[in-house]
Amino acid sequence: AQSVTQLGSHVSVSEGALVLLRCNYSSSVPPYLFWYVQYPNQGLQLLLKYTTGATLVKGINGFEAEFKKSETSFHLTKPSAHMSDAAEYFCAVTLGALAGKSTFGDGTTLTVKP
Amino acid sequence: GAVVSQHPSRVICKSGTSVKIECRSLDFQATTMFWYRQFPKQSLMLMATSNEGSKATYEQGVEKDKFLINHASLTLSTLTVTSAHPEDSSFYICSARVRRGPEAFFGQGTRLTVV
Repeated sequence: AQSVTQLGSHVSVSEGALVLLRCNYSSSVPPYLFWYVQYPNQGLQLLLKYTTGATLVKGINGFEAEFKKSETSFHLTKPSAHMSDAAEYFCAVTLGALAGKSTFGDGTTLTVKP
Repeated sequence: GAVVSQHPSRVICKSGTSVKIECRSLDFQATTMFWYRQFPKQSLMLMATSNEGSKATYEQGVEKDKFLINHASLTLSTLTVTSAHPEDSSFYICSARVRRGPEAFFGQGTRLTVV
């Protein structure tokens, strides 16, 4: 079984400040981890993913995340928030390359204040 | 990158009618597609897994006779909401998995409103 917990349903930062969105997972086998962004009335766009290899993963729009197995975490960060980053963010876990079925966290709404 | 097209993006239908939503992988073959439902301000709830050429696998609590899924080709899966009722109003999203990979790409979603 697998599960995802996103700590903080709402995060608010000032423009230019550090963005930190937290994600913890549980998995019985090595997981594949994803972060997605969703804008209102749109589908999900992949920000970044961890499958194997380097634990620090860089994604689009300046986002990155670090897979920490000992902490079962995959937190998403961005050094400097931009107004356009305001959106809903979902962390997801998939078990194995052949599974494909993802379990999503409840989402975190990011607000960026001018 | 891989592109998934979902159509229509918005649909309004009368109670009791049926609505079909299409999910197409435009530049890759998708052996598996997934259908999700998302309520306002909530996460995605997996409804069913659709494998090309076989019957869909529905998650617990999802009515298979209500939500008909067909995956007739490697690039197209359809979700038909039969005898729609206002409580079926929701945002429906599909995703398609690349062959031999863990990653799934998402469509833009369909906003269904049943009046």
